Amino acid sequence: DAGVIQSPRHEVTEMGQEVTLRCKPISGHDYLFWYRQTMMRGLELLIYFNNNVPIDDSGMPEDRFSAKMPNASFSTLKIQPSEPRDSAVYFCASSLSAGLTLNTDTQYFGPGTRLTVL
Amino acid sequence: GQNIDQPTEMTATEGAIVQINCTYQTSGFNGLFWYQQHAGEAPTFLSYNVLDGLEEKGRFSSFLSRSKGYSYLLLKELQMKDSASYLCAGESYNTDKLIFGTGTRLQVFP
Repeated sequence: DAGVIQSPRHEVTEMGQEVTLRCKPISGHDYLFWYRQTMMRGLELLIYFNNNVPIDDSGMPEDRFSAKMPNASFSTLKIQPSEPRDSAVYFCASSLSAGLTLNTDTQYFGPGTRLTVL
Repeated sequence: GQNIDQPTEMTATEGAIVQINCTYQTSGFNGLFWYQQHAGEAPTFLSYNVLDGLEEKGRFSSFLSRSKGYSYLLLKELQMKDSASYLCAGESYNTDKLIFGTGTRLQVFP
């Protein structure tokens, strides 16, 4: 079975440009998470969805960031306009359930998108 | 806020045993996850503890004390391929979120 798929794997863009990151979760998983990872701040949760509905976007840094999940097999994270401080690795992860019971399922991470904003 | 603390870096020798500690606020979390992340790759699941005690999986074991807000990951018979970052993550109460520590970078030397 394919794992979580992300595209592109690398993105280099100039400040002010729009960036769209894409994610396909594992089939059948009903939770999808977007994370950002930097050396300084580690792995930070940006937003997560349950059954395509955004549940918590409190980690989204500011209005320049937006995320959508139009169906169970696709999600996007958009940055508009991008800034150099947005440079990071962005991970998408999915899980069957998100851990409120003893039978919690783990989150499976995609390979990430390394974003560089010049 | 909900804090997860773990050492930034550790070194060890091939064949040795190493323990990576993680502390957290007891009021904030349900269970504890450990993930392994090799440089340039995605985090991968290692273990999950929701009850107090030790969970063993081959060369890796994880321990949790909920009352003390303390967990550790124990790696035995270290191999060079164990050089990686190890992320402790708390499962936040009443939400579906994981809160990650900044990770412990382990370097294994021959």
